[in-house]
Amino acid sequence: KQEVTQIPAALSVPEGENLVLNCSFTDSAIYNLQWFRQDPGKGLTSLLLIQSSQREQTSGRLNASLDKSSGRSTLYIAASQPGDSATYLCAVSPGANNLFFGTGTRLTVIP
Amino acid sequence: SQTIHQWPATLVQPVGSPLSLECTVEGTSNPNLYWYRQAAGRGLQLLFYSVGIGQISSEVPQNLSASRPQDRQFILSSKKLLLSDSGFYLCAWRGLAGVVNEQFFGPGTRLTVL
Repeated sequence: KQEVTQIPAALSVPEGENLVLNCSFTDSAIYNLQWFRQDPGKGLTSLLLIQSSQREQTSGRLNASLDKSSGRSTLYIAASQPGDSATYLCAVSPGANNLFFGTGTRLTVIP
Repeated sequence: SQTIHQWPATLVQPVGSPLSLECTVEGTSNPNLYWYRQAAGRGLQLLFYSVGIGQISSEVPQNLSASRPQDRQFILSSKKLLLSDSGFYLCAWRGLAGVVNEQFFGPGTRLTVL
């Protein structure tokens, strides 16, 4: 069974810092990997999706990379802002319907 | 553009009572629909998914059931709630066109069973 791990569980950084969130998965047979943001008590907002044939995707200050063979993905956030504070979740898709989620990294950006 | 609605936003129910959570999607046709649960301190777990009206697949054995009476409506139910059913319930949809299995989530329902 696919297991997804996110390290660290929590991270605090001062505003303006660049940071990297990590995601690892045990089964490299995936179709894609998706990064989400979740604000407290809210639903998930899709940030980036990387297909298995791709190595990275970028959106604004966010860059996600995928190394399928080693079972790793990173989410890079440049020039962090207090509004980036949230829990970041990664999820891998082994097929057409299921998503396996990590437990997330709770990010706090300190003004 | 597509939007997804869930209600109620918050629900407090006693053990043994019934449950009905509703999810509707606008702006798309024939979506795949999903119910997830996020329990405290745990990752999201897929409970059910549906590829069409009346078609339900269950991922885990549990006290809950799902139904899809209309193309863009997905309902999560229980006849008798357990304490362990407490959690944050999220509905999601995926279109059939475009990127494989890119899912979009609703705002969620916080269920507390007392």
